[in-house]
Amino acid sequence: NAGVTQTPKFRVLKTGQSMTLLCAQDMNHEYMYWYRQDPGMGLRLIHYSVGEGTTAKGEVPDGYNVSRLKKQNFLLGLESAAPSQTSVYFCASSYPVRGAWGTDTQYFGPGTRLTVL
Amino acid sequence: GDSVTQMEGPVTLSEEACLTINCTYTATGYPSLFWYVQYPGEGLQLLLKATKADDKGSNKGFEATYRKETTSFHLEKGSVQVSDSAVYFCALPDPSNTGKLIFGQGTTLQVKP
Repeated sequence: NAGVTQTPKFRVLKTGQSMTLLCAQDMNHEYMYWYRQDPGMGLRLIHYSVGEGTTAKGEVPDGYNVSRLKKQNFLLGLESAAPSQTSVYFCASSYPVRGAWGTDTQYFGPGTRLTVL
Repeated sequence: GDSVTQMEGPVTLSEEACLTINCTYTATGYPSLFWYVQYPGEGLQLLLKATKADDKGSNKGFEATYRKETTSFHLEKGSVQVSDSAVYFCALPDPSNTGKLIFGQGTTLQVKP
């Protein structure tokens, strides 16, 4: 199993450009998440999904859109990139344990380092 | 709302020193508690967890005990190695039952030879 993979690993954009980050997992996980990590800010949840075809806003959703058309993939889109979106982006997935809520482990991808000039 | 507070870093230790990273939480009920570790250039990975009060989670020589009396889940290791240099995150589940986690701010550990 590859686990959680993210594409691309690095990207440099100019202000106003758009791009899509791809997250894929091969563990048949129901839940998927997108985080950003900035120095001194810890991890902040952007959007998440509790199943195929469903998405929801996290803590910092502005400027991002997501789609979960297939269970194994979770896409994060930047419609018009801004320098404030320079960050490291992590995708994660988990499988809820029925009858043992809140005990599931999140599995993280290796991250995408995005710079917006 | 539920929250996690970790000791601020960075923490710098010499190899073979003892480590304690403090984590306290505020929560409704008795949620599971987690420690995640992030090695340089990588994503987070689960280090250990405890699912109920008085449970002790352990892995790779690290331990943490779920103490409901003090609402704490401190991470400990008796003898750290250079390879333990990483960022450590304490976390608990968001009460929304969506699998979301509430993370602490992270504590950077640097171990010097």
